[in-house]
Amino acid sequence: ETGVTQSPTHLIKTRGQQVTLRCSSQSGHNTVSWYQQALGQGPQFIFQYYREEENGRGNFPPRFSGLQFPNYSSELNVNALELDDSALYLCASSLWDKPYEQYFGPGTRLTVT
Amino acid sequence: TQLLEQSPQFLSIQEGENLTVYCNSSSVFSSLQWYRQEPGEGPVLLVTVVTGGEVKKLKRLTFQFGDARKDSSLHITAAQPGDTGLYLCAGLFLGKFYFGSGTKLNVKP
Repeated sequence: ETGVTQSPTHLIKTRGQQVTLRCSSQSGHNTVSWYQQALGQGPQFIFQYYREEENGRGNFPPRFSGLQFPNYSSELNVNALELDDSALYLCASSLWDKPYEQYFGPGTRLTVT
Repeated sequence: TQLLEQSPQFLSIQEGENLTVYCNSSSVFSSLQWYRQEPGEGPVLLVTVVTGGEVKKLKRLTFQFGDARKDSSLHITAAQPGDTGLYLCAGLFLGKFYFGSGTKLNVKP
């Protein structure tokens, strides 16, 4: 069984740029959720994807967008990066009928300068 | 204000001591999860509690879900340095996942 993988591991971007983060879900999982975790905080829910559509969104502006592909992998795109976007971005996969059992990837550490 | 409040925020204890971490909310959850996160890694699911009053044990860890399903606790018996990490509670509420801000545990040898 393959776990959740994320790429890249680390990323440094400049304010105003755009970034794409990638996630491969655990084998057999059809639902992907993205979280932002600032230093010293718990993860904040960004959105969830199921059947290639956004299904639920947290309190994040539209410049945070995502995609889910037929193989259940997913991308998180962030436009017009701001300094406050610096954080650990976590991807989690689950089964649609067991949304509370999420398995997380190691995260992508994004630094915006 | 967070939907899930965790306490304490920080805990530094000696190996062999017992400890309890709390997760509280004013809202009712259908289930609550506990995760442990180590630096540079994603959270790892420890347990899901579903029924009010439920108690689950995982070796030296005991998890309890409050009768009203608004709170939960994690008790660690005879803590070991390997228990060091960030402990997070989480729950699904109105279709969105919420995490507490975490309890950072440091167990000194």
